[in-house]
Amino acid sequence: QSVLTQPPSASGTPGQRVTISCSGSSSNIGSNTVNWYQQLPGTAPKLLIYSNNHRPSGVPDRFSGSKSGTSASLAISGLQSEDEADYYCAAWDDSLNGRVFGGGTKLTVL
Amino acid sequence: QVQLQESGPGLVKPSGSLSLTCAVSGASISSTNWWSWVRQPPGKGLEWIGEIFHSGSINYNPSLKSRVTISLDKSKNQFSLKLRSVTAADTAVYYCARVLVGVVGSPFDYWGQGALVTVSS
Repeated sequence: QSVLTQPPSASGTPGQRVTISCSGSSSNIGSNTVNWYQQLPGTAPKLLIYSNNHRPSGVPDRFSGSKSGTSASLAISGLQSEDEADYYCAAWDDSLNGRVFGGGTKLTVL
Repeated sequence: QVQLQESGPGLVKPSGSLSLTCAVSGASISSTNWWSWVRQPPGKGLEWIGEIFHSGSINYNPSLKSRVTISLDKSKNQFSLKLRSVTAADTAVYYCARVLVGVVGSPFDYWGQGALVTVSS
């Protein structure tokens, strides 16, 4: 059971906009920023979004993040086949004094 | 370009200890960064194990704290993980990662490729 809650799956067709939610509590998302990671099949995770809504250099602007209260969201617009991957949210948890991840969302491009 | 590379035995016996090393290139582990371990059981999600600062300060996942030791070897520019009293539940791909300091949220910006460790007799 992950501390942060994500839907196990999401899907969309090429060109569509898809959002993935991440729900937490006052001790994690409610008081700290959220990072998102993309994990392509068989590879290590890659930083996709940091500090709620910032993209590292090289990440397309099709990817965006937002946070409100104790929840966060990752949006992918103009969905492409190469976006098919697992997506994880993460945050620091003040109660646990450690990092916590969501359970991951498997994105399928139909 | 920062690169991290995990190494260590791929098979560990139950009740034994798992030991992995992460060799860092393109950056100094003596710099102002945290260095972390994350694991992923087969077909499952990511779990943070712990991290160490260049000064030696350490944070551990409370659920693993009693069995984990993370250490630095500045002379070899690497850091290590030791997990004691392992069971089959510790079978996972173990990743080392760098924590980007100075950025709100301190994300993991560089990851190793991962090392599969299987606990089995």
